[in-house]
Amino acid sequence: EPEVTQTPSHQVTQMGQEVILRCVPISNHLYFYWYRQILGQKVEFLVSFYNNEISEKSEIFDDQFSVERPDGSNFTLKIRSTKLEDSAMYFCASSDPSGRALDTQYFGPGTRLTVL
Amino acid sequence: GIQVEQSPPDLILQEGANSTLRCNFSDSVNNLQWFHQNPWGQLINLFYIPSGTKQNGRLSATTVATERYSLLYISSSQTTDSGVYFCAVRRVSWGKLQFGAGTQVVVTP
Repeated sequence: EPEVTQTPSHQVTQMGQEVILRCVPISNHLYFYWYRQILGQKVEFLVSFYNNEISEKSEIFDDQFSVERPDGSNFTLKIRSTKLEDSAMYFCASSDPSGRALDTQYFGPGTRLTVL
Repeated sequence: GIQVEQSPPDLILQEGANSTLRCNFSDSVNNLQWFHQNPWGQLINLFYIPSGTKQNGRLSATTVATERYSLLYISSSQTTDSGVYFCAVRRVSWGKLQFGAGTQVVVTP
């Protein structure tokens, strides 16, 4: 069964450094999402992306964040200058509006980001 | 925004027991998904169930959209069922999912 993949599985960085989290969505999917989960808390929406542009973003997704689909398969989340409070699990998701399960979102395994 | 409340927050079960988890939401939705977060942090899709009833092995789910709730049933629980169960809803097609706070389930041998 096709699945969403994410790399790296765990990233440790120093405060102020830039990080890029990578995702490969399911190949025929058209909608892409990033969510994050701070340890012990619920999953929060960050941004959605369709047709090479942001379709919705949350108040968390400030100027420090950006997303890109640099080629036909990858979807990236960049944090320009990491803060301690950016430490969280970051999930990528994708959905296919024409699929049998309509717009079910399928989640990747996550990247655990630790900012020191 | 839409509010999603899950109950109970914690549940301890003995292996073999049955249980029901509940998800209430504050407004009409066009998508509801149940997830299981395993001990490694992965979010596993259980059901896409905006309405009606579905079954998958020992798990089943029912959503009553008009009354704004969904139930997840776990029958004959196993230790591998341990983890956090999340309900997530969406108001707009292909829009963001709004997650509840989850139910932490521990199944003891």
